[in-house]
Amino acid sequence: DVKVTQSSRYLVKRTGEKVFLECVQDMDHENMFWYRQDPGLGLRLIYFSYDVKMKEKGDIPEGYSVSREKKERFSLILESASTNQTSMYLCASSKTAEFYEQYFGPGTRLTVT
Amino acid sequence: SQQGEEDPQALSIQEGENATMNCSYKTSINNLQWYRQNSGRGLVHLILIRSNEREKHSGRLRVTLDTSKKSSSLLITASRAADTASYFCAVNTGFQKLVFGTGTRLLVSP
Repeated sequence: DVKVTQSSRYLVKRTGEKVFLECVQDMDHENMFWYRQDPGLGLRLIYFSYDVKMKEKGDIPEGYSVSREKKERFSLILESASTNQTSMYLCASSKTAEFYEQYFGPGTRLTVT
Repeated sequence: SQQGEEDPQALSIQEGENATMNCSYKTSINNLQWYRQNSGRGLVHLILIRSNEREKHSGRLRVTLDTSKKSSSLLITASRAADTASYFCAVNTGFQKLVFGTGTRLLVSP
C-alpha cells in the first residue's frame, strides 16, 4: 500500500513564525502536491512538484514556498505565518502516467494565532 | 480555475438506501475521479472514469459520465453508516494535476 505521511496532525503557531510542513511518500512517485482545504472552498492546490528540485505554482501560492531535495520528501514552508493561513493542509503524491490517482496523507490542521 | 461542483452539498439518508451525488465541470477532461474523505482525514481514491467511458462499477459504487453535459454522478447502493463521509469529484484536464470540487457531505443514519 502507498503510504503518505505528514509530520504533524495538529500544529499551533504564532503570527510571523516560519512554519515547515513535511510530507514523505514511500512509493517512488514522481509527483507530489500540497493542498489546503477550507470549508466551502474544497481543496485548492498550493504547489506541486513533478521531479526532484522541480516545482510549479498552483492556484494559491502566495505566502508559501516549497522544497523538494529528495524524491520522497516534499516540504511546504510558510515564510511568515498569518492568521488567514489557518487551515487543513493535505499532501498527496502520484506517479506520472496518463491515468493516475493521487494518494493523500492524513492532513495537518494548522492554527495560526 | 475550473472546478467540479458537487450537488447536493449535503445529503442525509437511512442505512440501506441509495445515495446519489452529482458533479458538473466546465471544460474538456481526460478523466474524472471520485474521492472520499472521512472527517478530519485525508482523501481516499474511490474510482476513475476515463473521458471515453460512460459508466463504471466498483463494488457498491456506480459512476456515470456524460461528457456532452459535462457532468458525472456517483451512486452508492445499499448505504451503510460507515459510508458517512464527504465525497469529492476531481477532474483531470490532461496535465498531472487534479482540480477538486467542494464536496458532498453524506450522512447515513442507522
